[in-house]
Amino acid sequence: GENVEQHPSTLSVQEGDSAVIKCTYSDSASNYFPWYKQELGKGPQLIIDIRSNVGEKKDQRIAVTLNKTAKHFSLHITETQPEDSAVYFCAARYYGDDKIIFGKGTRLHILP
Amino acid sequence: DGGITQSPKYLFRKEGQNVTLSCEQNLNHDAMYWYRQDPGQGLRLIYYSQIVNDFQKGDIAEGYSVSREKKESFPLTVTSAQKNPTAFYLCASSISGRKAFFGQGTRLTVV
Repeated sequence: GENVEQHPSTLSVQEGDSAVIKCTYSDSASNYFPWYKQELGKGPQLIIDIRSNVGEKKDQRIAVTLNKTAKHFSLHITETQPEDSAVYFCAARYYGDDKIIFGKGTRLHILP
Repeated sequence: DGGITQSPKYLFRKEGQNVTLSCEQNLNHDAMYWYRQDPGQGLRLIYYSQIVNDFQKGDIAEGYSVSREKKESFPLTVTSAQKNPTAFYLCASSISGRKAFFGQGTRLTVV
């Protein structure tokens, strides 16, 4: 069945350094890959997304890359700040039925 | 303001009772979803609906039921058949599976 694997489960980086979170998906028919940020006690919020016909997308300090051949996609956060501390989820949308499957999440800690 | 609203924020259920979680959206989205979140388990899909009067089971549908009588509403019932219902429940809506918006969640506790 459909599956999204996310690594690492926990990541600690010094403030100002970069953070990278990686995901793999199982169904090659997936065509849309969003990333969400969740703060404690709240619902996840979309921070960036990428479609399968694009290799990279940037939005200020956040970027996402997609390797369709390897079925990998990654989130890159540069110049990390304390407010980047949160849980981040990757997801994949399966073509044809609008189903969205999420990874298990990465808890990102920004160290002072 | 457009958005997606879940209620209540906290819900307590006695063992053996059914409870219904509300989810309403005014974003004019066709697709709606229910996810369950447990520590370390990420977001697991319970049910989703692409259009009114139609819905599909997700990965963990056992012990849950839904209805989609209106485009704006997608209530989730946690039945007594769900053996471990204590969790954080999240509702979302989207345009054909893209740019999904989430509600603020309902925390259900069995007492």
